[in-house]
Amino acid sequence: QKEVEQDPGPLSVPEGAIVSLNCTYSNSAFQYFMWYRQYSRKGPELLMYTYSSGNKEDGRFTAQVDKSSKYISLFIRDSQPSDSATYLCAIGKNTGFQKLVFGTGTRLLVSP
Amino acid sequence: DTAVSQTPKYLVTQMGNDKSIKCEQNLGHDTMYWYKQDSKKFLKIMFSYNNKELIINETVPNRFSPKSPDKAHLNLHINSLELGDSAVYFCASSQLERNGVGELFFGEGSRLTVL
Repeated sequence: QKEVEQDPGPLSVPEGAIVSLNCTYSNSAFQYFMWYRQYSRKGPELLMYTYSSGNKEDGRFTAQVDKSSKYISLFIRDSQPSDSATYLCAIGKNTGFQKLVFGTGTRLLVSP
Repeated sequence: DTAVSQTPKYLVTQMGNDKSIKCEQNLGHDTMYWYKQDSKKFLKIMFSYNNKELIINETVPNRFSPKSPDKAHLNLHINSLELGDSAVYFCASSQLERNGVGELFFGEGSRLTVL
């Protein structure tokens, strides 16, 4: 079983839709959770980062963590064509140094 | 001014050759990484250096050898290239907080194709 599972998509939505992207993980030792966005032919860039269960909001983006279910989500409100990218979840443990485990990424396509 | 820059962007080479990828960061970060992203977009850590010291060394063939001459540079040398080495190699850097967590800043990637 992979440490992090993520549906590769593609997920196609019309502009303005609410998008839900999800990951599940297998090891309860993971303590912090990140979402990275990767445009085609570019490096990933950090969108959101959270430690605790619950919701964290930043503009149109909301990260949600449910540690009891080992389930993390990223919601995008009022999606825009510029949101079309691959979204990667990443999880890590507090070991004193950072060794993130990435999901395979979900490709999102937002059509005008 | 690019924060994390890596060269070359594209590499096409024959099996058995040796190649190097260079990375430089101007963010003043202490920690640098090499990640490999395969054709299915799976991003996996290979190595990490903190202040020129190797701190993460994943199960990577000995043909891959990282070198960090100073904390702003991390290079990757690959010997005897194989078809399975074809991938995009990303360099990244971060400044870790006290809890050992920090945002990763990635370069644009070096796309290696082995023929």
